Amino acid sequence: GNSVTQMEGPVTLSEEAFLTINCTYTATGYPSLFWYVQYPGEGLQLLLKATKADDKGSNKGFEATYRKETTSFHLEKGSVQVSDSAVYFCALGGYQKVTFGTGTKLQVIP
Amino acid sequence: DAGVIQSPRHEVTEMGQEVTLRCKPISGHNSLFWYRQTMMRGLELLIYFNNNVPIDDSGMPEDRFSAKMPNASFSTLKIQPSEPRDSAVYFCASSDQGSYEAFFGQGTRLTVV
Repeated sequence: GNSVTQMEGPVTLSEEAFLTINCTYTATGYPSLFWYVQYPGEGLQLLLKATKADDKGSNKGFEATYRKETTSFHLEKGSVQVSDSAVYFCALGGYQKVTFGTGTKLQVIP
Repeated sequence: DAGVIQSPRHEVTEMGQEVTLRCKPISGHNSLFWYRQTMMRGLELLIYFNNNVPIDDSGMPEDRFSAKMPNASFSTLKIQPSEPRDSAVYFCASSDQGSYEAFFGQGTRLTVV
C-alpha cells in the first residue's frame, strides 16, 4: 500500500536559517503529493502540492519538487521566520485516500 | 464556502458516556475522512468514505467506535462507551476524489475523565 516517511523532529532553527524537511514515499501508480502545515490549536491546512513528476509546488517561500526517481518530496525554505513554527506533514493522494506522514515539528527561535 | 464544519469544538465527558462528533464536509466533495491526533500516536486515519460508503475502517481502534455518513452533507463519529484513552483531537476532512486535496475542519478536542 501507499506510505509516507518523513524525518523525525523536532527541528530547531534560528531565524533566517535554511530549512529542509525530508519526505519519501512508497506508492504504485502516479500519486499526488502534498505538504500540510498545522499551527498550534488549529487543523491542518494545505501548504503546497504537486501532481506529477518534476512538478514544483511553492507557497509562502516554501518549495518542494516531486522527484519520481528518488520517490521524494522534500520541503525547503531559504530563510525561516518565527511565524513558521508549526508541525509540517507530508502527504500522498492516490487510490481513493490521502496518506499522511507522522509530522515534523519545526521551532524557529529569534 | 464555509469549509469543513465540525461540532462541538470541545467536549468533556465522563468515562462510560456516549460521545457523538459531527462533521459537515465541503459541498461537492465526495470523500470524507476521520482522523484522530494525539501526542503519542500523531495523526491516525480512523475511517474514510467515498460517495457516502465506508471504504476502509481498519483504523477504527475498537468496536466502541462507529462512523456513519447518511448523506453527502453529514457524518458522525460515535464512541460508546467512552474511555479516558479516547481523549484526543478528532479531525474531519473532505476532498474531491479526483484531486486528493484534503480540507480539514478545526477539530473536536475530546476529554474523557
